[in-house]
Amino acid sequence: NAGVTQTPKFQVLKTGQSMTLQCAQDMNHNSMYWYRQDPGMGLRLIYYSASEGTTDKGEVPNGYNVSRLNKREFSLRLESAAPSQTSVYFCASSEIQGRGEKLFFGSGTQLSVL
Amino acid sequence: GDSVTQMEGPVTLSEEAFLTINCTYTATGYPSLFWYVQYPGEGLQLLLKATKADDKGSNKGFEATYRKETTSFHLEKGSVQVSDSAVYFCALNTGGFKTIFGAGTRLFVKA
Repeated sequence: NAGVTQTPKFQVLKTGQSMTLQCAQDMNHNSMYWYRQDPGMGLRLIYYSASEGTTDKGEVPNGYNVSRLNKREFSLRLESAAPSQTSVYFCASSEIQGRGEKLFFGSGTQLSVL
Repeated sequence: GDSVTQMEGPVTLSEEAFLTINCTYTATGYPSLFWYVQYPGEGLQLLLKATKADDKGSNKGFEATYRKETTSFHLEKGSVQVSDSAVYFCALNTGGFKTIFGAGTRLFVKA
């Protein structure tokens, strides 16, 4: 089982460049999420998609856009990268989102913006 | 707002030592509590969870008890192994789409 697959694994950008991070899950989950992980700050939610066709802002959405392409795929776009967006990005999915529902994570994308 | 506070790391232990990683939370509702583990180069994976007060979550020798009176969910293991070296995250969810994570605690286990 592949689970949650993210591409690319590593990326270096120059300030002002754009890029899209791809995420796909093969577990038929309804909900998908993008988090960023920064030292000493844990994981912070950027955007989420409760179900196909819907997206909503999380805690730190500024500078990002998302697309829920279909039930499997959820992409994150940086239109004009900034050094503050240097981080490790994780995509996650869950079947539903209730109090006890667990998240399944991809292996992450390490992004450096110079 | 809701929040999770974990003890700062890194925590360095010798193999077979007892492990405790403290976690306390603030939440307006009745959260479910989780411990996730992140091994080097990988994404997070669920280690254990508890959904109501006094529940004990357990997995792979790790345990944590949901203590509502002290708003805590401390992670414990009686005898750690080198393979337990990882970053551990405490997290909560009160029923929406936003799981709140602590800052993480890095554990090093020496042979």
